[in-house]
Amino acid sequence: EGQLVESGGDLVQPGGSLRLSCAASGFTFIHAWMHWVRQVPGKGLIWVSRISPDGAYTTYADSVRGRFTISRDNARNTVYLELNSLRAEDTAVYFCVSVRDKGSREEYWGQGTLVTVSS
Amino acid sequence: QSALTQPASVSGSPGQSITISCTGTNSDIGDYDYVSWYQQYPGKAPKLIIYDVNNRPSGVSNRFSGSKSGNTASLTISGLQAEDEADYYCHSYVGTSTYVFGTGTKVTVL
Repeated sequence: EGQLVESGGDLVQPGGSLRLSCAASGFTFIHAWMHWVRQVPGKGLIWVSRISPDGAYTTYADSVRGRFTISRDNARNTVYLELNSLRAEDTAVYFCVSVRDKGSREEYWGQGTLVTVSS
Repeated sequence: QSALTQPASVSGSPGQSITISCTGTNSDIGDYDYVSWYQQYPGKAPKLIIYDVNNRPSGVSNRFSGSKSGNTASLTISGLQAEDEADYYCHSYVGTSTYVFGTGTKVTVL
């Protein structure tokens, strides 16, 4: 059974930076597309970013493009999300998600890590 | 990209069937058969229950089914059970490798 464990969430001031990590285990990480999704507590889900299995292709939601950067280290089975120029509206729980289609969909979610942007 | 539109709440009695709608545009739901549905309990991570409009991942109950017509996707829960009380979100591919979630629906079992 696959597992994803996020870390790196913290309280940061507006304009600040943070790097989130997501460590994967129990599945073939190098074959999985990895996503980040965020959720303000009590509110809906927002898709943030995606990276291809080889790390060559990345895409972002309009609200974070140019400020956030997704990357991965397949040797460490880890995906990252670098958050820069943080705003109050970036406050949310950030989930990482792995997606692989191998006949049937194989998808795992982490438990989330809380990012709070406040002065 | 604007969120897909879902009803804020849907309710039903045990054993009944309920349907949750998810309305998008001809740039997302209407253009791609990549609609997913998620179930989320309070304080927990979402769980995939339907992908590619009407496919269930391994281990998901066959009481959950999905469909799509035009710009609207639907999730039907048959034989409603107390454990189905949760939040449900639709999700669609939008093109240019981006995605969008629905606004979410709270299901209450009466």
